[in-house]
Amino acid sequence: DAMVIQNPRYQVTQFGKPVTLSCSQTLNHNVMYWYQQKSSQAPKLLFHYYDKDFNNEADTPDNFQSRRPNTSFCFLDIRSPGLGDAAMYLCATSRDNRGSKNIQYFGAGTRLSVL
Amino acid sequence: AQRVTQPEKLLSVFKGAPVELKCNYSYSGSPELFWYVQYSRQRLQLLLRHISRESIKGFTADLNKGETSFHLKKPFAQEEDSAMYYCALYNQAGTALIFGKGTTLSVSS
Repeated sequence: DAMVIQNPRYQVTQFGKPVTLSCSQTLNHNVMYWYQQKSSQAPKLLFHYYDKDFNNEADTPDNFQSRRPNTSFCFLDIRSPGLGDAAMYLCATSRDNRGSKNIQYFGAGTRLSVL
Repeated sequence: AQRVTQPEKLLSVFKGAPVELKCNYSYSGSPELFWYVQYSRQRLQLLLRHISRESIKGFTADLNKGETSFHLKKPFAQEEDSAMYYCALYNQAGTALIFGKGTTLSVSS
């Protein structure tokens, strides 16, 4: 049973057209993460939420935003996608982000194409 | 700077051969290290973490602070071990996983 669900699996958008990627979890975990993974590269953390507290990585472009309306859902908004934003976007959750509860559980990812 | 290096992009072995996937890290203090695996068409999932000191699917990994390494080993590879393997560590703040670029393991008969 999928515990971290990402929709859609594939998303095509146009250059400059806002796009939203969705993640939901059934684990009731406190922390939700968004990673960007470009071809042949390591997943790179964009930001995470600890409950309602938003934590942005220092080098995440302003073009990327996130919302977490409740414990179960988290959204990644790309305000004006560029060709360089084409990538796999991974959502992950963890019960906590410290100690023994920081194991991260990943969704299957959304592959974003920008035309 | 915190960094994870996986020097091999691809490792090809025959079934039954020993496997060692290399991982070196850069970290100040005591790192918390993980191996994640991604089988074909599946999601990224935890394989093992160093603090558990466990063996999963026959794989083990030992933290060597002197060599700053956390290599993943299995004495006898199986075809179902073919996958992408990522080494990762938590950053100093404990808030983000830093991944290596991954090693594709291909096991053939």
